[in-house]
Amino acid sequence: QKEVEQNSGPLSVPEGAIASLNCTYSDRVSQSFFWYRQYSGKSPELIMSIYSNGDKEDGRFTAQLNKASQYVSLLIRDSQPSDSATYLCAVFFSGGYNKLIFGAGTRLAVHP
Amino acid sequence: EAQVTQNPRYLITVTGKKLTVTCSQNMNHEYMSWYRQDPGLGLRQIYYSMNVEVTDKGDVPEGYKVSRKEKRNFPLILESPSPNQTSLYFCASTPNAAPNTGELFFGEGSRLTVL
Repeated sequence: QKEVEQNSGPLSVPEGAIASLNCTYSDRVSQSFFWYRQYSGKSPELIMSIYSNGDKEDGRFTAQLNKASQYVSLLIRDSQPSDSATYLCAVFFSGGYNKLIFGAGTRLAVHP
Repeated sequence: EAQVTQNPRYLITVTGKKLTVTCSQNMNHEYMSWYRQDPGLGLRQIYYSMNVEVTDKGDVPEGYKVSRKEKRNFPLILESPSPNQTSLYFCASTPNAAPNTGELFFGEGSRLTVL
């Protein structure tokens, strides 16, 4: 089992809809959770971080964390074609392991 | 401008011809790391460095070497490249000694093809 798993997609949503991206992670001591966005041919950029259970909102983006279920998600409201990209989930595993592990990414396509 | 600079951005080489991909950051960051990105496999860590003269293996270190003689530079060396090292490579840095804040600053990437 991979330490951080994502559905590769593509996830196709119409413009204006809510895009829901999901990520599960392995049973290690995990401290911090992140979402990166990567446009085709570009480098990843950090868009959201979340450290405790619950929701964290930033503009059209909401990150949700459920540590009991080992599950973190990213919701994008009012999706725009410019949101079309690959979204990478990353988890920092602490407790001596001290590694930031990336999922393989979910490709999102927002169509007009 | 704060940035991580990688060179070359694109390279086609042949099996066995030693090459170096340079990485330099101008943000005085402690931690630097190299990743390779392959379709379906995501970003996998090759090597990382928590400080000058301190380097350690990541998840896929075979066939690679690194050095950290200065804080700003972290070159990736392929002593004898093979076709399975064809990939997109990213250098990244972060202010802390570990990427616990997740705030990695990435270079623009280096696309390497080994024939």
